[in-house]
Amino acid sequence: GENVEQHPSTLSVQEGDSAVIKCTYSDSASNYFPWYKQELGKGPQLIIDIRSNVGEKKDQRIAVTLNKTAKHFSLHITETQPEDSAVYFCAASSGGNEKLTFGTGTRLTIIP
Amino acid sequence: DTGVSQDPRHKITKRGQNVTFRCDPISEHNRLYWYRQTLGQGPEFLTYFQNEAQLEKSRLLSDRFSAERPKGSFSTLEIQRTEQGDSAMYLCASGRRGRRETQYFGPGTRLLVL
Repeated sequence: GENVEQHPSTLSVQEGDSAVIKCTYSDSASNYFPWYKQELGKGPQLIIDIRSNVGEKKDQRIAVTLNKTAKHFSLHITETQPEDSAVYFCAASSGGNEKLTFGTGTRLTIIP
Repeated sequence: DTGVSQDPRHKITKRGQNVTFRCDPISEHNRLYWYRQTLGQGPEFLTYFQNEAQLEKSRLLSDRFSAERPKGSFSTLEIQRTEQGDSAMYLCASGRRGRRETQYFGPGTRLLVL
């Protein structure tokens, strides 16, 4: 089955700087890659996703890049703000297989 | 969309008791998923419904676990004879027809088995 690895497990950045979180996946059939933000005591919130026919997608301060050859994808957050502090999860799924396989999460802390 | 709702939000039970959780998906979402999340880990897939049909079950879903979605709307997840290892956050997600992969999560039910 699919295996998703996520790095780093913790990340601290100064407010206003950029943050990058990286994930790798094992199943070459995977074609959908969402990113979720989870705040304490809440369920994961979808923040951006990308499909395998696209190499990059951007939504305001958030961008995701995908390298299918290397089987890795990354989340980029620019101009970080204190409210970006949370745990971020990457995930992957393949067509016909509805389940998401998640990474182990990155705890992002924005230092004011 | 009013969002995915789950009830209860918290449940404390004694080992050996049965518990049942409810999930109400976003209206008109025909896909519903259950995941389990333990502390410091990402969610792990348990099972998935399309309308009322349960299409896939993880090996994590032992015979003490059962899930239903009788009318293709809300779903219930029951755990019989709970064990301390069942302590976790149980998350429900739903998805919209036509965007088959996108899943929107509820707030979860946190279960503590004493």
